[in-house]
Amino acid sequence: NAGVMQNPRHLVRRRGQEARLRCSPMKGHSHVYWYRQLPEEGLKFMVYLQKENIIDESGMPKERFSAEFPKEGPSILRIQQVVRGDSAAYFCASSPFAGQGGTDTQYFGPGTRLTVL
Amino acid sequence: SQQGEEDPQALSIQEGENATMNCSYKTSINNLQWYRQNSGRGLVHLILIRSNEREKHSGRLRVTLDTSKKSSSLLITASRAADTASYFCATDPTSGTYKYIFGTGTRLKVLA
Repeated sequence: NAGVMQNPRHLVRRRGQEARLRCSPMKGHSHVYWYRQLPEEGLKFMVYLQKENIIDESGMPKERFSAEFPKEGPSILRIQQVVRGDSAAYFCASSPFAGQGGTDTQYFGPGTRLTVL
Repeated sequence: SQQGEEDPQALSIQEGENATMNCSYKTSINNLQWYRQNSGRGLVHLILIRSNEREKHSGRLRVTLDTSKKSSSLLITASRAADTASYFCATDPTSGTYKYIFGTGTRLKVLA
């Protein structure tokens, strides 16, 4: 059973370009979470999605950032008009059930390291 | 501020010694998990402890949870150079949100 897959592993963009980060959850998992990690810091929650639904996007900036998890295909985190401050590692996690009130472990992908020049 | 705060921020020990890391949090939780992150890599899940549990073991790992003090500790016994990594605690709050709250991590260095 393959783990959570993310691609690309490294992404370089110039200021003003768009960044698209992809996440394929573990087989059988229908819950996806995106986190951002700045250098020397812990992970900060961005958004939680189920298939075709955004459940909680409270950690995601209102502008330039969007996320989707379509019925078919991977989850996409999209950052428009990137700025240098967007440089970070972006991690995706998946779980088979929702975390609320439960004890479900989130399994993390290897991350995408975004560098904005 | 972060829900989880680990201390120490950095720890350097000799191979064979034990390493203890602590995590404090602020709100009620369903569970607490510890993850390891090797430099530049993703997170590896180590152990989950539920709010009604006080201690849990997994190989050389021992985790305790004190909900009255809102704190947890991770003990790695007989450390190895391969244990060199950053260790994060993550809490699952009971407040009805779905997100894990991560601390800032303890950077452990095990010297051979």
